[in-house]
Amino acid sequence: DAGITQSPRHKVTETGTPVTLRCHQTENHRYMYWYRQDPGHGLRLIHYSYGVKDTDKGEVSDGYSVSRSKTEDFLLTLESATSSQTSVYFCAIRGQGDQPQHFGDGTRLSIL
Amino acid sequence: TQLLEQSPQFLSIQEGENLTVYCNSSSVFSSLQWYRQEPGEGPVLLVTVVTGGEVKKLKRLTFQFGDARKDSSLHITAAQPGDTGLYLCAGAPGGATNKLIFGTGTLLAVQP
Repeated sequence: DAGITQSPRHKVTETGTPVTLRCHQTENHRYMYWYRQDPGHGLRLIHYSYGVKDTDKGEVSDGYSVSRSKTEDFLLTLESATSSQTSVYFCAIRGQGDQPQHFGDGTRLSIL
Repeated sequence: TQLLEQSPQFLSIQEGENLTVYCNSSSVFSSLQWYRQEPGEGPVLLVTVVTGGEVKKLKRLTFQFGDARKDSSLHITAAQPGDTGLYLCAGAPGGATNKLIFGTGTLLAVQP
C-alpha cells in the first residue's frame, strides 16, 4: 500500500461544529488531493495541493478549506459543518509527471 | 463540467459469466483510468489508457480506449467472486492530471 494514513477513520459530529480531517503520507509525494464520495456522484475533487502552502480549488470546494504546512500532511477543514457534508472523504497522493494517484482508505463523516 | 457516465450502474451476475462496463463522455480526455474499490477502502488503480484505440489486458480484464478518446470499456471474462466491487473510470481532461473527473461507478456483484 502507498503510505497514506487518514485520520480519523470515522467521525460523528453536530451541525455547526468545526471538523478537521488529516491526511498523512510517507512517500514524499508533491501532490495531495481531497475528494468526497457520495452515491450517484462518484468521487468529486474538493481541493488539491501541488506543494507546501500551494493549494487550489476543485469542483466542490465551497464550505471547505485546506492547509499544507509540510510535505507529509494535508488537512481538510469544515469550518461549520452542515448535514450536506455528510460523506466519505478520501485523500490521494501523486508523484511527479504522469504517475497515478494513490488513495487512502477514507474517513466516514456523519453530521447530524 | 465534463461528465463521465458509466453503465450499467449495477450488475449482478453468476460466476463464470462475461460482462462489459462502459464509460462515456461527450468530451475528449488525454487519458483515462480504471479503478476498483472494495467496501471500506479507497479506489485502487487497475490501468491507464492514453492512446485512442488502445487495448490493454490485465489477466481476465480487457480495457479499451475509444478511437476518439471520449469513451472506454472494461470487459471481464469468466467473472469470479473476487471481481466483486465498485468499478470507476476517471479521465484527465486536456491533460490536467490534477483535476481527474470520475465516473459515477458500476457496482458489480459476482455470485458464486
